[in-house]
Amino acid sequence: EAGVAQSPRYKIIEKRQSVAFWCNPISGHATLYWYQQILGQGPKLLIQFQNNGVVDDSQLPKDRFSAERLKGVDSTLKIQPAKLEDSAVYLCATGDSYEQYFGPGTRLTVT
Amino acid sequence: AQSVTQLDSQVPVFEEAPVELRCNYSSSVSVYLFWYVQYPNQGLQLLLKYLSGSTLVKGINGFEAEFNKSQTSFHLRKPSVHISDTAEYFCAVSGINTGGFKTIFGAGTRLFVKA
Repeated sequence: EAGVAQSPRYKIIEKRQSVAFWCNPISGHATLYWYQQILGQGPKLLIQFQNNGVVDDSQLPKDRFSAERLKGVDSTLKIQPAKLEDSAVYLCATGDSYEQYFGPGTRLTVT
Repeated sequence: AQSVTQLDSQVPVFEEAPVELRCNYSSSVSVYLFWYVQYPNQGLQLLLKYLSGSTLVKGINGFEAEFNKSQTSFHLRKPSVHISDTAEYFCAVSGINTGGFKTIFGAGTRLFVKA
């Protein structure tokens, strides 16, 4: 079974620029999560989708972050404009019940 | 709402020694408990989970954890560690809240196995 795919793996941008991350879930998984993992911390949920509907986006900074999941499959997370404090690893995970399967993450560095 | 506290940020241990990584949680609802491992530059991988039933849970790579409801703990143990166990370990708790099914992760414990 193929795992969760994410791209790019690494991204370096300057502050105030925009960036987008892509996630392709495990086939058949209805639930998709985006997490932000700052160095030295555990993952923090940004947004959770059930199929193509948003279940929880209470911790998503909506003034600069947006996410969508078209047709309930792939998902993109966008930051516009980026700030220095957005430097982190962005993890995508998908699940079919209580268990989550994580992708390798995208390491974002904002300079 | 739930919260998770991993009591040790770093745990150095010699190869073949036993190890325990501690995790305490708080929740006003019934919870499910998980331990994940993260190797450098990789995503998280599930080690083991407690959903119900036996409080002693066995996972991959020789790890096990014990759910203690009275002490609200879910400590991870391995009787003999290998160099390859060097990684970051995250405890997580999931439960039903007003906003739906939520998972909260601890801050992580870095296990460093020395030769």
